[in-house]
Amino acid sequence: SQQGEEDPQALSIQEGENATMNCSYKTSINNLQWYRQNSGRGLVHLILIRSNEREKHSGRLRVTLDTSKKSSSLLITASRAADTASYFCATDYGSGNTGKLIFGQGTTLQVKP
Amino acid sequence: NAGVTQTPKFQVLKTGQSMTLQCAQDMNHEYMSWYRQDPGMGLRLIHYSVGAGITDQGEVPNGYNVSRSTTEDFPLRLLSAAPSQTSVYFCASSRGKTYNEQFFGPGTRLTVL
Repeated sequence: SQQGEEDPQALSIQEGENATMNCSYKTSINNLQWYRQNSGRGLVHLILIRSNEREKHSGRLRVTLDTSKKSSSLLITASRAADTASYFCATDYGSGNTGKLIFGQGTTLQVKP
Repeated sequence: NAGVTQTPKFQVLKTGQSMTLQCAQDMNHEYMSWYRQDPGMGLRLIHYSVGAGITDQGEVPNGYNVSRSTTEDFPLRLLSAAPSQTSVYFCASSRGKTYNEQFFGPGTRLTVL
């Protein structure tokens, strides 16, 4: 079974608006990562947040992590049409810190120009 | 650097045929993984490797074999293709346990008739 679940499954917004995606997971983790996938392409790493961190920023991206609720959110501010993609969270939960990741099902974001 | 490369990009097989999907990385990464992506299912881990000569199963290993004879290469073998293996396959690599942001290849789209 998959570790992470994203919410919502799909999101449609206007250019310039903010987009928020949420991820919930089931077991304790070492870190949580967010990836973007453009249609027909491989995934691209966006940001990693460790279990002892609560918030992280990278450009227009803001990620929060609440380990007590086992949840994370990805905020994209001032969205652009080029942000249209699917976004996945992934958790590093493997025992013995194997480094393997388990991905959620993703949120499909459409940014309308 | 080429990053993570995968061949072929597209493949059509008949039920029962075997084939090998190739994956190579030139970043000297220790960790390599194979995922399959099905519509609405996110990415599911098939097999992974923490170094040359070491492999382990992921969530959905049945019907697939892997080997890791070198750091650079991590081929995925389909032993006897089935229609249920129709999917997009992604190979990924990462530096190691702590710095496990994954770099993805462009994917192989496989259809089994």
